[in-house]
Amino acid sequence: SQQGEEDPQALSIQEGENATMNCSYKTSINNLQWYRQNSGRGLVHLILIRSNEREKHSGRLRVTLDTSKKSSSLLITASRAADTASYFCATDSNYQLIWGAGTKLIIKP
Amino acid sequence: DTEVTQTPKHLVMGMTNKKSLKCEQHMGHRAMYWYKQKAKKPPELMFVYSYEKLSINESVPSRFSPECPNSSLLNLHLHALQPEDSALYLCASSQAEGYTEAFFGQGTRLTVV
Repeated sequence: SQQGEEDPQALSIQEGENATMNCSYKTSINNLQWYRQNSGRGLVHLILIRSNEREKHSGRLRVTLDTSKKSSSLLITASRAADTASYFCATDSNYQLIWGAGTKLIIKP
Repeated sequence: DTEVTQTPKHLVMGMTNKKSLKCEQHMGHRAMYWYKQKAKKPPELMFVYSYEKLSINESVPSRFSPECPNSSLLNLHLHALQPEDSALYLCASSQAEGYTEAFFGQGTRLTVV
């Protein structure tokens, strides 16, 4: 099931710059998660933010959540070539993960 | 051990073949999942097993048959597939149904010819 929209669909930036991706969703949630997927591989969990949290950090990642706007953003600071991947948000609703469409991030050397 | 192991990594099968995808985790997780993912799309949930019992079947055609022999293993039996079933099949597990963090395997790239 796909609930969310992510924007941009694709993002290309220079190494060292910051990358911001946005996710919007439709129903109330318990938590929102971000995952990374390298080309054709499995998904890797990056960070989870609960519905009562507004901001969370993990290393170079910063996630915000605005439940009034039903939206979240993922900021990757000081991007590296290894950050090139697709990024998906997923919301926990009725014991299922509902996925956004994903943002493809390309980091140019 | 925080790995979910899927075999095989790649599979090419004819439309009359029978094959199986395998998934294994040793994290003590009690929920396991099969997803199908087409190129440039998010994963689509197929099945959920919770405590070794089928909990969710997302109206998947019967040519896909899941099996959970024990709490560490999850199989997906394939029979009489169609070319449109070609996709990346992902297995995942979590501590329990209801989600905190899901751990994914690397997937099986399936091609139906």
